[in-house]
Amino acid sequence: AQKVTQAQTEISVVEKEDVTLDCVYETRDTTYYLFWYKQPPSGELVFLIRRNSFDEQNEISGRYSWNFQKSTSSFNFTITASQVVDSAVYFCALSVRGGSNYKLTFGKGTLLTVNP
Amino acid sequence: DAGITQSPRYKITETGRQVTLMCHQTWSHSYMFWYRQDLGHGLRLIYYSAAADITDKGEVPDGYVVSRSKTENFPLTLESATRSQTSVYFCASSLTSGFSYEQYFGPGTRLTVT
Repeated sequence: AQKVTQAQTEISVVEKEDVTLDCVYETRDTTYYLFWYKQPPSGELVFLIRRNSFDEQNEISGRYSWNFQKSTSSFNFTITASQVVDSAVYFCALSVRGGSNYKLTFGKGTLLTVNP
Repeated sequence: DAGITQSPRYKITETGRQVTLMCHQTWSHSYMFWYRQDLGHGLRLIYYSAAADITDKGEVPDGYVVSRSKTENFPLTLESATRSQTSVYFCASSLTSGFSYEQYFGPGTRLTVT
């Protein structure tokens, strides 16, 4: 069975601090995809990044960076110099193909609050 | 450029009533999905569809029915609503295989069953 654990339920930081959101996943499949989504207070979910299981390169996009480590089954997300607009719930998700079925599992999310 | 829309955005209904939540996307995406979001559970997949007339169960399908006669529409029906189905429901779509591609989400429908 697949599982995604986001151990940090809530994180609160002050603007301009760096913050890392942890994501640990479990799967027996060798081919899988990992995602991060952002859910701001307005409610809609916004796609941030996708990473496949064969690509362990870290990725940087502006103030956002992602660290994928298969050895520890982790796909952590770091926001550098956080801003108030980064306040949201962030979800990590794991996608695997189970036979003819499609399985996407979300973590329970981490609520990030960035205070001015 | 509406993208993906859901209606209604808010709904209050009584236990035992049938309710249909609508989802419409303008991208001609093959895959569509229904999720529910509950405190403590995160997002859970209810049903998904790979194409018109092809649907499959997700993690929590009991009490729900879906259909997909047209690529752009994917309605979700609660046949006999129960209080445990009070939730926020999100529809999503994906360009091709939902397995490897990101999903685009609608704004959500907040459903309250009294």
